Amino acid sequence: DGGITQSPKYLFRKEGQNVTLSCEQNLNHDAMYWYRQDPGQGLRLIYYSQIVNDFQKGDIAEGYSVSREKKESFPLTVTSAQKNPTAFYLCASSSPRTSGNRETQYFGPGTRLLVL
Amino acid sequence: GESVGLHLPTLSVQEGDNSIINCAYSNSASDYFIWYKQESGKGPQFIIDIRSNMDKRQGQRVTVLLNKTVKHLSLQIAATQPGDSAVYFCAENSGYNKLIFGAGTRLAVHP
Repeated sequence: DGGITQSPKYLFRKEGQNVTLSCEQNLNHDAMYWYRQDPGQGLRLIYYSQIVNDFQKGDIAEGYSVSREKKESFPLTVTSAQKNPTAFYLCASSSPRTSGNRETQYFGPGTRLLVL
Repeated sequence: GESVGLHLPTLSVQEGDNSIINCAYSNSASDYFIWYKQESGKGPQFIIDIRSNMDKRQGQRVTVLLNKTVKHLSLQIAATQPGDSAVYFCAENSGYNKLIFGAGTRLAVHP
């Protein structure tokens, strides 16, 4: 099956702990994204990567870090500097550029992060 | 600033009726719009998209209308079913393949 997988489904973080959320895609998409969703709210962009070994900050990057060593993988680390990490985290990817920048983003199933 | 918003946070409809979910956008330079459906505890699912050179696009039971004059987007669902109950998001392409999402509208379908 082709698609985007995220793991784990639920993740618990202790105070002062860094945790890493996994995102893998086998769609051969160049671009990958991380969003945060809080209850009753829309999606806010944390980081995105248009190509391997390159990534840019989104609107709420503070307290987060990413890497893009492989095309298929875009892990997100929630660091201890993120003081309010409890949220639903969504990973997305989009197809290679054809013309313009009109690319639909496809989402994974999400990871819910809770603080102990 | 740039934003995508929705007129109705919650919409309740009877099964079999048609549903209309509305969305306003503020960036007149946006040229691509997407509707997503999100069920509880799941990731958003692509429903339908439209480019700014169109004013209407139809899919299976869904139609998206774009009115660039008033910067308004709507999603019409025909013969709404219980499985359509979800939160619906509109998103606009703000450039460089960055999407801006609205807060979402919850659709509740009653038997």
